[in-house]
Amino acid sequence: DSGVTQTPKHLITATGQRVTLRCSPRSGDLSVYWYQQSLDQGLQFLIQYYNGEERAKGNILERFSAQQFPDLHSELNLSSLELGDSALYFCASSLVGVPNTGELFFGEGSRLTVL
Amino acid sequence: SQQGEEDPQALSIQEGENATMNCSYKTSINNLQWYRQNSGRGLVHLILIRSNEREKHSGRLRVTLDTSKKSSSLLITASRAADTASYFCAPLYNQGGKLIFGQGTELSVKP
Repeated sequence: DSGVTQTPKHLITATGQRVTLRCSPRSGDLSVYWYQQSLDQGLQFLIQYYNGEERAKGNILERFSAQQFPDLHSELNLSSLELGDSALYFCASSLVGVPNTGELFFGEGSRLTVL
Repeated sequence: SQQGEEDPQALSIQEGENATMNCSYKTSINNLQWYRQNSGRGLVHLILIRSNEREKHSGRLRVTLDTSKKSSSLLITASRAADTASYFCAPLYNQGGKLIFGQGTELSVKP
């Protein structure tokens, strides 16, 4: 158990809908990262937050947004969903942020299926 | 691209054999990390090697880093069926600081 909690574990929804994925980092970790893993794209870095502030951005679509709250949990919002958004979404946390990124602790992921 | 490139993409060996996976990257790094992913599960950190280190050991794992060649290798000795998983390298570049993963090496260890 990494200590990172992601909910929901599974989610099935329809195209055009909006979903929110939630992540609780390990106790004491200030950084949260979001990754998307699909068969054709591999593991894609989406975005990183450190202590409530956005620190790094990757291949995150404009339809997607994220935030980190004062209690350090994070949410990833996916809107106007398309079939291609079906993927495993991972949250990871670490104690420190850029530039001294140490090891990341990953949650078990949220599997999103868009029908 | 900022990701590491793992090689080979897939590796199939017998239990007891050694498995070697390689990773190449682009520019100067702060550190390079290796992770393991069992099918459909979250990634698990295996080992981190800093840019000023050349070799590091952890149990049956040995990681080397050659900054002149911009490459790293992960050696798993005396492999077990339970080592079957995908292995990813993630270089942390001095510029940018994002931890980007490659496509991984899919290791299959047959009993």
